[in-house]
Amino acid sequence: GAGVSQTPSNKVTEKGKYVELRCDPISGHTALYWYRQSLGQGPEFLIYFQGTGAADDSGLPNDRFFAVRPEGSVSTLKIQRTERGDSAVYLCASSSAGGGNTEAFFGQGTRLTVV
Amino acid sequence: GENVEQHPSTLSVQEGDSAVIKCTYSDSASNYFPWYKQELGKRPQLIIDIRSNVGEKKDQRIAVTLNKTAKHFSLHITETQPEDSAVYFCAPFPSGGSYIPTFGRGTSLIVHP
Repeated sequence: GAGVSQTPSNKVTEKGKYVELRCDPISGHTALYWYRQSLGQGPEFLIYFQGTGAADDSGLPNDRFFAVRPEGSVSTLKIQRTERGDSAVYLCASSSAGGGNTEAFFGQGTRLTVV
Repeated sequence: GENVEQHPSTLSVQEGDSAVIKCTYSDSASNYFPWYKQELGKRPQLIIDIRSNVGEKKDQRIAVTLNKTAKHFSLHITETQPEDSAVYFCAPFPSGGSYIPTFGRGTSLIVHP
């Protein structure tokens, strides 16, 4: 497709379970971002990839969160031992250059609910 | 890191009025200044952006102005329409470091018909 695609669109999981959220960026985009958005808040930065490597993971809240982008395109955000406080919309965005100055295109998000 | 603030947090106007949302930032190295619109349940989408070498940019009813000295930029919407109702986010982008846009908390714009 032409845009950023995220799957699943909705995920309900039990507290303590493991989840994986997938992001398919726009083809050719080298920069990929993960954000988390809670109700009534702005997107909160989690991690930034430039190609295959995590250029900045300073936004990950703790070591239960991990993300990979092994081939420099699709990325997976992994959350272990989920907690109710992890419930949010997880947004992925990609852009064509990692040097800034370019538009970030967002996916539609994955709504994660931990019960 | 970048400290971003938006004002007001909520803005209610009558259809046809103008709306102005201001974004202040802390990183003087920021050089790209986008505004995103997010409708309820949808993804943020870029509506207008400006780079640090210009002071103003217009696109039909939408404009953005930049004051780099004072470290703020503003979104201006004229002749507002009900479909302009949404949450608007600024996301200044640093020119160095990790090139990570930091989002403001958002401004909820309500346009009453």
